[in-house]
Amino acid sequence: GAVVSQHPSWVICKSGTSVKIECRSLDFQATTMFWYRQFPKQSLMLMATSNEGSKATYEQGVEKDKFLINHASLTLSTLTVTSAHPEDSSFYICSARVREGLAGEQETQYFGPGTRLLVL
Amino acid sequence: AQSVTQLGSHVSVSEGALVLLRCNYSSSVPPYLFWYVQYPNQGLQLLLKYTSAATLVKGINGFEAEFKKSETSFHLTKPSAHMSDAAEYFCAVSPYSGGGADGLTFGKGTHLIIQP
Repeated sequence: GAVVSQHPSWVICKSGTSVKIECRSLDFQATTMFWYRQFPKQSLMLMATSNEGSKATYEQGVEKDKFLINHASLTLSTLTVTSAHPEDSSFYICSARVREGLAGEQETQYFGPGTRLLVL
Repeated sequence: AQSVTQLGSHVSVSEGALVLLRCNYSSSVPPYLFWYVQYPNQGLQLLLKYTSAATLVKGINGFEAEFKKSETSFHLTKPSAHMSDAAEYFCAVSPYSGGGADGLTFGKGTHLIIQP
């Protein structure tokens, strides 16, 4: 299957600093990537949809000015957590969508390994 | 609107026993359904997916799932559990449309425990 990487795999930062997380599709191009957030022992919650060359679409309740998403190329999307605070500590997972089928009507999301963020 | 319900936050089975993880969905359109597995501190790995072809879907690691429209279910099974199957399992749903779909809606997950 398609491979998605994330960097860094974990990061510790001080409160008030900004952290950038990269999501790359290694062997395919992805016009759409997704960013999820997962709290301990909970499910994944979709934060935003990242579209190459256009603005990201944020889910309700997600602050777009705090979680900046840039999808400048077909293989890279970045999530920047600005002015991070301890409540932003979480596991952030990205995925890249691959469309299949004759009309592109089927999709599969391939997930990155995740980035664990700890804000002190 | 879509939703996924996974019955049982924890399931414990003995090694070699049948694994059954339950998933029920709600969707206003014919759904695509997925099962993902997550090992500790890792991302999600796709186990299998239903995309309206065959109702019985076979996945990796010996897992399979059956789509039952009448029951709005997509339960995951494996005939014989192995210690390496211990992980968190997520059921997810995606709406079908001619132009593709958006982000997945996940269930809360089921933690599978394998007893020796």
